[in-house]
Amino acid sequence: GAVVSQHPSRVICKSGTSVKIECRSLDFQATTMFWYRQFPKQSLMLMATSNEGSKATYEQGVEKDKFLINHASLTLSTLTVTSAHPEDSSFYICSAQPVLAGGTSSYNEQFFGPGTRLTVL
Amino acid sequence: RKEVEQDPGPFNVPEGATVAFNCTYSNSASQSFFWYRQDCRKEPKLLMSVYSSGNEDGRFTAQLNRASQYISLLIRDSKLSDSATYLCVVNRGSSNTGKLIFGQGTTLQVKP
Repeated sequence: GAVVSQHPSRVICKSGTSVKIECRSLDFQATTMFWYRQFPKQSLMLMATSNEGSKATYEQGVEKDKFLINHASLTLSTLTVTSAHPEDSSFYICSAQPVLAGGTSSYNEQFFGPGTRLTVL
Repeated sequence: RKEVEQDPGPFNVPEGATVAFNCTYSNSASQSFFWYRQDCRKEPKLLMSVYSSGNEDGRFTAQLNRASQYISLLIRDSKLSDSATYLCVVNRGSSNTGKLIFGQGTTLQVKP
C-alpha cells in the first residue's frame, strides 16, 4: 500500500527556534499534499495545501509567514514552524494524494503520515 | 457552527454489542464522505468511504442522508480492537479539491 513518512516523529525545541518537518510519499508521487494540526482532544484542522512547484494555499487563520511550506518535488513537502512558541505545540500530520496515470490526482484517496509531535518549551 | 459535528462520547460498550455513531455536516455542496479511525497518538486511517446508497464492509455499515446532511456508522459485534476514536470526514465543497474536514471524533471503548 501507499506509504507516507514524516520526520522527525517527535521534536522538542526552545521557544523562538524554527523547526522543519518533512513529509515524504515513499512509493508514489503526489502533486498535492496537505498539512494538518491536531491539539489534544480536538479534531484535525487543515492548515494548508501544498502544491508541487507552486505556492501553498493556507486556510483562514493560518499565518503563511509562520508556517512555511515548500513542495519542491513530487515526493517531498516540508513544513517549517518559524519562531516557535509554546502554543505551537501540537501534533502535525501530513497527507498525500497520489497522482494517477494521466497526471490527475486521486481526489478521494489520501494517505496520512504518522505525524510529528512538536513540543515547544 | 462546526462544519462537521460529532458526539465526542465516550461510548463504553461490552464486547459483542452493536453501536452507532452519528455525524452532521453543514456544507450541502460536499460530495465525498468518509469514516476514519484514529488510535491514540497515531495518524487517522481510512475505515470506509460512505456512498449515497449506503455501504457495508464486514461488521461496519455506513449510511448517508444528503437531505438531512447526516452520516452514520454502525458497528456490529464489537471487538476489543475496535476501541478507538472514529472520525467523520467530509470534503470541503463541491469542487473535490481534496480538502478534508474532520469532525472532533467519537471515542469508543469496548470492554470485555
